[in-house]
Amino acid sequence: SQQGEEDPQALSIQEGENATMNCSYKTSINNLQWYRQNSGRGLVHLILIRSNEREKHSGRLRVTLDTSKKSSSLLITASRAADTASYFCATATRGSSNYKLTFGKGTLLTVNP
Amino acid sequence: GAVVSQHPSRVICKSGTSVKIECRSLDFQATTMFWYRQFPKQSLMLMATSNEGSKATYEQGVEKDKFLINHASLTLSTLTVTSAHPEDSSFYICSARDFQGREKLFFGSGTQLSVL
Repeated sequence: SQQGEEDPQALSIQEGENATMNCSYKTSINNLQWYRQNSGRGLVHLILIRSNEREKHSGRLRVTLDTSKKSSSLLITASRAADTASYFCATATRGSSNYKLTFGKGTLLTVNP
Repeated sequence: GAVVSQHPSRVICKSGTSVKIECRSLDFQATTMFWYRQFPKQSLMLMATSNEGSKATYEQGVEKDKFLINHASLTLSTLTVTSAHPEDSSFYICSARDFQGREKLFFGSGTQLSVL
């Protein structure tokens, strides 16, 4: 079952603007991760935030996590055309025997030059 | 950084044939590998988790006799789609978790399977 739900499904902005994507999930998590996928390619890990963290930064990326609301946001500042891709949040849970990463539906970001 | 190589990147086959997809961790040992399926403009659906030397754990609704997964070594996992049908056409992506058990996954570049 899909855990994360991204919002919006698609986002189109101009180069230089900031892009914000949101993710909601349903169950308790160990951590939440954001990945990027260029069309027809594999995923690239962007950033991980643990369940006991509230905010994390990496370069132009800023991630927040609100476990009370079961939501996270990814902010990309000063966007570039090369940021055009699909962005997925993924929630990590640890079951009885397996570590599992469940992906949301993704946000398609288009940055226009 | 850790590299996962997935091969082939694209395969077209006739209905009824079997297709094998390989996933290799090139510069690290992957104790756990995951296989995902992705439909156009949709999310990744976890199909199964494979641990080196043991049987794969399949997600609910995934036919283990149709999607055979083998993880015989710490650097190689294979997914075989047996007796493929057009509805099996999809983008298949593998990912690996390294021996140190770091929490992020490293992904292959995916395989686009088209069954005619």
